[in-house]
Amino acid sequence: RKEVEQDPGPFNVPEGATVAFNCTYSNSASQSFFWYRQDCRKEPKLLMSVYSSGNEDGRFTAQLNRASQYISLLIRDSKLSDSATYLCVVNRGYIPTFGRGTSLIVHP
Amino acid sequence: NAGVTQTPKFQVLKTGQSMTLQCAQDMNHNSMYWYRQDPGMGLRLIYYSASEGTTDKGEVPNGYNVSRLNKREFSLRLESAAPSQTSVYFCASSEWTGIEKLFFGSGTQLSVL
Repeated sequence: RKEVEQDPGPFNVPEGATVAFNCTYSNSASQSFFWYRQDCRKEPKLLMSVYSSGNEDGRFTAQLNRASQYISLLIRDSKLSDSATYLCVVNRGYIPTFGRGTSLIVHP
Repeated sequence: NAGVTQTPKFQVLKTGQSMTLQCAQDMNHNSMYWYRQDPGMGLRLIYYSASEGTTDKGEVPNGYNVSRLNKREFSLRLESAAPSQTSVYFCASSEWTGIEKLFFGSGTQLSVL
């Protein structure tokens, strides 16, 4: 089993929709969790950290479920500009490990 | 602030040629990383440097060497390039390893013919 797994998608949704992605991780010793956004051929940029209690930043909500070893990202009221690849990152010790990413396409 | 600066942005090599990718950060970060990204594979860690003076292998180190020249700079060397090393390479830095968020350079598109 890969250490960090994501559904590659693409998730194809209309503007205004709510969409959710999950990311599972295999190592229970993982210590910190992030969601990054990557636009085509560009560098990844931090979208948000994921805290045990869950956290929200505007239209974005991230949650962590340690018991089931997954993190989630919920995007409400999707915008065209949300179209991108969303990467989850799981840190264990010194090693930030990336999932393969989930592609989101928001259409008019 | 420039953040993380990578050079070059594009490079074409012939099989067997060598080259060094340069990376520098101006955020006084302790940790630096080199990743490669291939279609459908996500980012895979090649080498990292937890702090100045240390380097360690990541998931895919074969065919690469690194040098942490000082706190700011972390270079990646391909001694004898192979077509399998055709990829997009990203340098990243963080204040410390493992816990802190990563800041990325803009990437190097490398093609090995």
